[in-house]
Amino acid sequence: GAVVSQHPSRVICKSGTSVKIECRSLDFQATTMFWYRQFPKQSLMLMATSNEGSKATYEQGVEKDKFLINHASLTLSTLTVTSAHPEDSSFYICSARPPQGQPPYAGVSQYFGPGTRLLVL
Amino acid sequence: GENVEQHPSTLSVQEGDSAVIKCTYSDSASNYFPWYKQELGKGPQLIIDIRSNVGEKKDQRIAVTLNKTAKHFSLHITETQPEDSAVYFCAALVSHGSSNTGKLIFGQGTTLQVKP
Repeated sequence: GAVVSQHPSRVICKSGTSVKIECRSLDFQATTMFWYRQFPKQSLMLMATSNEGSKATYEQGVEKDKFLINHASLTLSTLTVTSAHPEDSSFYICSARPPQGQPPYAGVSQYFGPGTRLLVL
Repeated sequence: GENVEQHPSTLSVQEGDSAVIKCTYSDSASNYFPWYKQELGKGPQLIIDIRSNVGEKKDQRIAVTLNKTAKHFSLHITETQPEDSAVYFCAALVSHGSSNTGKLIFGQGTTLQVKP
C-alpha cells in the first residue's frame, strides 16, 4: 500500500527557534500534500494545501509567514514552523494525495503520515 | 462553512458487542466519506470509505452507511475486540470538480473503548 513518511517523529526546540518537518510519499508521486495540526484530544485541523511547484493555500486563521510550506518535488513537502512558541506545540500530520484513478490508489483521497510531535519549551 | 458533527465523543462497549458512530455533514456537495482509526501517537489510518453513489459498504466486521438525503453517515463495528479501542474520525470531502479534489473536513472524533 501507499506509504507516507514524516521526519522527525518528534522534536523538542527552544522558543524562538525554527523547526522543519518533512513529509515524503515513498512509493507514489503526490502533486498535492496536506498539512494538519492536532492538539491533544482534538480533531485534525487542516492548515494548508500544498501543490507541487506552486504556493501553498492556507486555511483561514493560519499564518503563512509563520508556517512556511515548500513542495519542491512530487514526493516531498516541508513545513517550517518559524519562531516557534509554546503554543505551537502540537501533533503535525501530513497527508499525500495519490495519482487519481490509478490502481492501487484509485478512490482513496489521501494517505496520512505518522505525524510529528513538536514540543516548544 | 463546511462542518462535520460526530457523536458520541466517547463510547464504551463490551467485547463482542457492536459499536455505532454517527456523523452528519453540512455541505450537500460532499461525495466522499472516509473513516479513520487513530491510535495514540500515530497518524490516522483509513479503515473504510463510501462514496455518495452507494448507500452501504461492508468490509468484514466494519460497515458504513450513508443517507444522502439526511446528510448522515455511520460507522458500524460488529464483534468488537479490545484491539478496536482507538479514536475514530469521520470525514467528508468538500469537493470542487472531480471526486478526488478538494479537502477533508473531520468530525470531532470518538474514543472507543472495548472492554475485555
